[in-house]
Amino acid sequence: QTVVTQEPSLTVSPGGTVTLTCASSTGAVSSGYYPNWFQQKPGQAPRALIYSTNNKHSWTPARFSGSLLGGKAALTLSGVQPEDEAEYYCLLYYGGANWVFGGGTKVTVL
Amino acid sequence: EVQLVESGGGLVQPGGSLRLSCAASGFTFSRYWMHWVRQAPGKGLVWVSLINSDGSSTRYADSVKGRFTISRDSAKDTLYLQMNSLRAEDTAVYYCARDSVGGILVYWGQGTLVTVSS
Repeated sequence: QTVVTQEPSLTVSPGGTVTLTCASSTGAVSSGYYPNWFQQKPGQAPRALIYSTNNKHSWTPARFSGSLLGGKAALTLSGVQPEDEAEYYCLLYYGGANWVFGGGTKVTVL
Repeated sequence: EVQLVESGGGLVQPGGSLRLSCAASGFTFSRYWMHWVRQAPGKGLVWVSLINSDGSSTRYADSVKGRFTISRDSAKDTLYLQMNSLRAEDTAVYYCARDSVGGILVYWGQGTLVTVSS
């Protein structure tokens, strides 16, 4: 069974930078996995942030960026704001229209 | 404005059935692939199923294959998830979501809670 692994939690200071990663049990993550990133705040539905590795939606703040880093997909938050405190999920594509979420990273702004 | 509104959740006994609906508005429903994603209480997101724009192709997560059926009615602009042989581990908030030209799961509903318990 395919497993997608994210850091369970990360803490960052306001104005700081934090990088979240997303690893696949099948090996290195490439653009062919079409990495997506989602933000979810308590009691809310998820919100799409990044698609196909590094593409932003019209509503995605400029401080969010996606990339591939050391065989993993990565989401970097630069100049973190208090409202960025949330759970972040990556999503990878495994062919045959099958998609798998990571377990999520809880980002605390402190 | 894209709107997705789920309904049909509730309490059901193990082994029972439930049909979820997702009413779509603000866009041409028949043009987009649609998905169901679930989230157990306090847990992460799990992709459940997808259906292509004309309903001719569907996919399921292994955990629901053979028990859940996704379908759509373009005349009613509505997505469905028929859930049979429900188990306690199916307890979750179920979200419907829409793809876009620019990505997957771009627009989400607010979810409907399904509780499987005796």
